[in-house]
Amino acid sequence: QKEVEQNSGPLSVPEGAIASLNCTYSDRVSQSFFWYRQYSGKSPELIMSIYSNGDKEDGRFTAQLNKASQYVSLLIRDSQPSDSATYLCAVNYGTGNQFYFGTGTSLTVIP
Amino acid sequence: DAGITQSPRHKVTETGTPVTLRCHQTENHRYMYWYRQDPGHGLRLIHYSYGVKDTDKGEVSDGYSVSRSKTEDFLLTLESATSSQTSVYFCAISDLGQVSSYEQYFGPGTRLTVT
Repeated sequence: QKEVEQNSGPLSVPEGAIASLNCTYSDRVSQSFFWYRQYSGKSPELIMSIYSNGDKEDGRFTAQLNKASQYVSLLIRDSQPSDSATYLCAVNYGTGNQFYFGTGTSLTVIP
Repeated sequence: DAGITQSPRHKVTETGTPVTLRCHQTENHRYMYWYRQDPGHGLRLIHYSYGVKDTDKGEVSDGYSVSRSKTEDFLLTLESATSSQTSVYFCAISDLGQVSSYEQYFGPGTRLTVT
């Protein structure tokens, strides 16, 4: 059973702080890793993809991957109230039919 | 935004009635998926398709059937709706991208209530 684990939260950070979201996965064969943002009542939106060990930055977002520790994280710098949402971690095992999702971490950014 | 539409966006139906949800894509992606999302369960895969007329079951396929007669359309049918199928249903699409990896994009969702 391939599992993706996230702390469900809720995670609260003050505006302007760094929000750190974490995800662990169970299978070392995992190839691709994704972070989705889901606002209440909306569909998941892909915000970051990462495929190799290390950091990947896109604006205020940084994804970090450590395959040896089976760990992927998302850092949001200068958090804004508009970042308040649920963040889903997803893992793909190299084929189109093998996507696995965590249950999401709820983030609230307090003005 | 990926070109994915779902219809209807909201539906209320009675127990025992058949229901069909439609997903339409304009991206020519090979893979299409149906998920349901419920509080405490996250996203759960119902069925997926890897080509026209090629479909397979996901983890929660009981009570659901699918069809894909064209690349762009993927239909989800509840043969006889039950209250346990009240949920939000998301369609998603995927194909190999520029980095030889699959990325999945979601449609806007359909909120289904079975009374």
